[in-house]
Amino acid sequence: VQLVESGGGLAQPGGSLRLSCEGTDFDFGNHALTWVRRAPGRGLEWVSSVSRTGRTTYYADAVKGRFTISRDNPKNTLFLEMNSLRPEDSGIYFCAKSPVDIIAYFDSWGQGASVTVAS
Amino acid sequence: DIQLTQSPSSLSASVGDRVTITCRATQTVSNWLAWYQQKPGKAPKLLISKASTLDHGVPPRFRGRGSGTEFSLTIDSLQAEDVGLYYCQQYQSSWTFGQGTTVEVQ
Repeated sequence: VQLVESGGGLAQPGGSLRLSCEGTDFDFGNHALTWVRRAPGRGLEWVSSVSRTGRTTYYADAVKGRFTISRDNPKNTLFLEMNSLRPEDSGIYFCAKSPVDIIAYFDSWGQGASVTVAS
Repeated sequence: DIQLTQSPSSLSASVGDRVTITCRATQTVSNWLAWYQQKPGKAPKLLISKASTLDHGVPPRFRGRGSGTEFSLTIDSLQAEDVGLYYCQQYQSSWTFGQGTTVEVQ
């Protein structure tokens, strides 16, 4: 199983970024997927999850209305569209898969994409 | 929201020692609790799910126990490669992580 994130970088407050996560060596379309972040000096924080079909999505209160999770199963890719970015959104963003279509625990993780929100 | 509190925040022990990390939930999570290890600069790695089920390939020196609101992760014989951050995570209601415990080897 491999999950590889891309699309991180520097954004200004109020700006936008789009993260991608490509999955290989597993049946991508049969697993729920999740974004988890780790802010500098802080622990892991669940951000957003999506069911295997993409029809059901979940968001942490801190990002609700600003972030959008989606997936393209034929392309084995998960996305996180981040708008109205705030400095507190800075951190490493990991994509992670659940063992089945139930969003429970996370049995494989990517290496992470760095997001910095600063002026 | 269910909050998880880990203790201690950090610990330092010698190779061969037994170390225990505790995770307490603000309300019952039944046994819907996982433990992860994160080494510096690396992705988190699943160690244990459903409070006590070791993931594939995880050494048996890692042991998870508990149910309800009190859980523990024990490393029976600490090894140098066990250095890192350890997190608990509940999946009873939404998904939350503990704040993490740093494990150092003396």
